[in-house]
Amino acid sequence: AQSVTQPDIHITVSEGASLELRCNYSYGATPYLFWYVQSPGQGLQLLLKYFSGDTLVQGIKGFEAEFKRSQSSFNLRKPSVHWSDAAEYFCAVGARWTGGGADGLTFGKGTHLIIQP
Amino acid sequence: ETGVTQTPRHLVMGMTNKKSLKCEQHLGHNAMYWYKQSAKKPLELMFVYSLEERVENNSVPSRFSPECPNSSHLFLHLHTLQPEDSALYLCASSQPTGSGELFFGEGSRLTVL
Repeated sequence: AQSVTQPDIHITVSEGASLELRCNYSYGATPYLFWYVQSPGQGLQLLLKYFSGDTLVQGIKGFEAEFKRSQSSFNLRKPSVHWSDAAEYFCAVGARWTGGGADGLTFGKGTHLIIQP
Repeated sequence: ETGVTQTPRHLVMGMTNKKSLKCEQHLGHNAMYWYKQSAKKPLELMFVYSLEERVENNSVPSRFSPECPNSSHLFLHLHTLQPEDSALYLCASSQPTGSGELFFGEGSRLTVL
């Protein structure tokens, strides 16, 4: 069964500093990988996704993530954070669908990002 | 009009009440999902409907009953809930073929007294 580990429950970063959120996955084949962001009281918004090809993917709001197969990782990065980036971040893994079925995604427990002024 | 709309946004109910959560998607997708989000737990997949047929149950208690009358609407009927069922219930939709990217609604915050 697939699984996702986000080892950091909370991360505190100063505004303007760089950010890296860690994600490790377990999956038997090439996964589809996602990062979502959730602001308080809101649903989840997709930041970026990896399906195949270039292992460095760009997303919205200045985020990027790098897929490293050898490390089973898909870490999220941003060179300079803004106070508005404070939120909960979720890494997720999905499987290739076959036959029109729908599997949903498996999510990590999330990392709560705190921005210090 | 947002892609996935959930109502109500907030619901408080007693353990003997019957209520329903509603989800509507305007994205032309053919798969819809209910996820449960509790504090300090990963998102839990509750139900999946693909082409209006339920394909995943994940051993959810029978006090939760889903309904998908068409590809645009999804309901979660609630009855005789327990306080531990208090959570944020998220609806999502996707295309059943392809990458599996999910599009989420803003959630319904349920409190069971």
